[in-house]
Amino acid sequence: DTGVSQDPRHKITKRGQNVTFRCDPISEHNRLYWYRQTLGQGPEFLTYFQNEAQLEKSRLLSDRFSAERPKGSFSTLEIQRTEQGDSAMYLCASSLSSSKQYFGPGTRLTVT
Amino acid sequence: RKEVEQDPGPFNVPEGATVAFNCTYSNSASQSFFWYRQDCRKEPKLLMSVYSSGNEDGRFTAQLNRASQYISLLIRDSKLSDSATYLCVVNRNSGYALNFGKGTSLLVTP
Repeated sequence: DTGVSQDPRHKITKRGQNVTFRCDPISEHNRLYWYRQTLGQGPEFLTYFQNEAQLEKSRLLSDRFSAERPKGSFSTLEIQRTEQGDSAMYLCASSLSSSKQYFGPGTRLTVT
Repeated sequence: RKEVEQDPGPFNVPEGATVAFNCTYSNSASQSFFWYRQDCRKEPKLLMSVYSSGNEDGRFTAQLNRASQYISLLIRDSKLSDSATYLCVVNRNSGYALNFGKGTSLLVTP
């Protein structure tokens, strides 16, 4: 399968713990995006990378959130000191320049 | 006000019916427009792009009215497999963040 992959698919954590998610984009896609989706809502943009450069961050991305794409390939999204309000589906997408975005299956986070 | 507004539904229609979804967007600088489909607990998947001239893909027809900032999706001859949430999506510039509506839920019944 050469689509976007995300790991883990599910994560349950206790409030206050740190979590890290990984996204592997489609090979050769230079743009990578993170979105968050809560129940009953559409996905909301968090941040995006062009190669290794983080070019835009949403106001939703608080100081507790950090994303990296160190070699312009896979990306990680870390949430520090998780809160119950962080419970959501975290979606990663990739694209080749300005072409359409392909989404991964998402990581479902539950903070207890 | 959200940048993309959709009627959340749900729309319950019988097989074979025609159903239309509407969407409005607030940012007149938006340049690209799409409809995505999302099945329960799955990722969004691109259904079709939307062009000013209108475009059709089989049973699906999309329309864009830039003056009214209005986008529509028409599904003809509904199938059971069309049951999903349909997300209206705009972006300011190709390759940048996508702005999603909340989605419109469709249930096609036998």
